[in-house]
Amino acid sequence: DTGVSQNPRHKITKRGQNVTFRCDPISEHNRLYWYRQTLGQGPEFLTYFQNEAQLEKSRLLSDRFSAERPKGSFSTLEIQRTEQGDSAMYLCASSLEGTGTNEQFFGPGTRLTVL
Amino acid sequence: AQSVTQLDSHVSVSEGTPVLLRCNYSSSYSPSLFWYVQHPNKGLQLLLKYTSAATLVKGINGFEAEFKKSETSFHLTKPSAHMSDAAEYFCVVSGGSTLGRLYFGRGTQLTVWP
Repeated sequence: DTGVSQNPRHKITKRGQNVTFRCDPISEHNRLYWYRQTLGQGPEFLTYFQNEAQLEKSRLLSDRFSAERPKGSFSTLEIQRTEQGDSAMYLCASSLEGTGTNEQFFGPGTRLTVL
Repeated sequence: AQSVTQLDSHVSVSEGTPVLLRCNYSSSYSPSLFWYVQHPNKGLQLLLKYTSAATLVKGINGFEAEFKKSETSFHLTKPSAHMSDAAEYFCVVSGGSTLGRLYFGRGTQLTVWP
């Protein structure tokens, strides 16, 4: 399968714990995006990378959130000191610069439940 | 600023009847517009995209959308609904100074009755 993959698919944690999610984009894609989707809402943008550089961050990305893409391939999203309000589906997407459309390909998501 | 409004949170149709999912957008720039579909426990899948070429865009599974700049609309249609079309549909806008991010509507849940 050459699509976007995310791990884990599900994560249950206790409030105050740290969690880390991984995203592997489509191999030739140089742009990678993180979104968050809560129940009954559309996905909301968190951040995006072009190669290794983090080019944009949403105001939704509080200081407890950090994202990295150290080698311009896979990316990790870490949430420190989780809160119940962090419970959501975290989606990763990738795209190829230069196509002119910003069409993004999405992974299946990581569902986070904070107890 | 970019934004999208999906005018219906739920749409119910009978199998074999037409589908209309309504979307209005706001954009300070010439936008790219998309419709994505999300089936339960599945990832988001692109249905179709508009990128300033033809205003009538054809997508997968018989879906179409028409870009109407004067009405700032990008409604999704299908002549005949199928049971497998039941899913959540998102209208999405992109472009301008925030080229990286996509702006999603709140979604329209489509139910198809046999």
